[in-house]
Amino acid sequence: NAGVTQTPKFRVLKTGQSMTLLCAQDMNHEYMYWYRQDPGMGLRLIHYSVGEGTTAKGEVPDGYNVSRLKKQNFLLGLESAAPSQTSVYFCASSRDGPYEQYFGPGTRLTVT
Amino acid sequence: EDQVTQSPEALRLQEGESSSLNCSYTVSGLRGLFWYRQDPGKGPEFLFTLYSAGEEKEKERLKATLTKKESFLHITAPKPEDSATYLCAVPGGGSYIPTFGRGTSLIVHP
Repeated sequence: NAGVTQTPKFRVLKTGQSMTLLCAQDMNHEYMYWYRQDPGMGLRLIHYSVGEGTTAKGEVPDGYNVSRLKKQNFLLGLESAAPSQTSVYFCASSRDGPYEQYFGPGTRLTVT
Repeated sequence: EDQVTQSPEALRLQEGESSSLNCSYTVSGLRGLFWYRQDPGKGPEFLFTLYSAGEEKEKERLKATLTKKESFLHITAPKPEDSATYLCAVPGGGSYIPTFGRGTSLIVHP
């Protein structure tokens, strides 16, 4: 039982490049979330999903897209990376709401 | 607008010096309050869920309590390994999606 895993762990992008972050969970959770964490700003919700095939915007969705084609996976895409997207990205899942969330180990992204 | 505020932002304690962290919230219709611990370079780890005023939960040296407007995380006789950032989160009044506070960074000196 791996819990929540994230791929990759680190990534450096140049401005304008694109990439996809992958989140996988093996707990059969309905809800999945993508957060970014910046110094002094706390965890901010980017997008979330309340079930397979659904997605919704969070607090800071601009510049990101997501997809949840399979229940266990939640993908976060950056179509044209900007330096302002330099951050640590965390994926989380929960049984549904309002239950505790389980977080992945994070992806540290740097955009130069 | 739903708000979650944690205080203090940072706290330094000597080993064995007990203290409390605060999480105040302005959410209508509380659907639970969650405490997490986050170690440097790692994702947050779930600690407690509290659902109603007066409820208390304990785990080792930590005890979480809840009132109608705030929650406290009491740390009794802390050890250096308790050093971490402690986050609280509250589902929004209109949804089950949690809003996180900015956290309290706790350092316990030996």
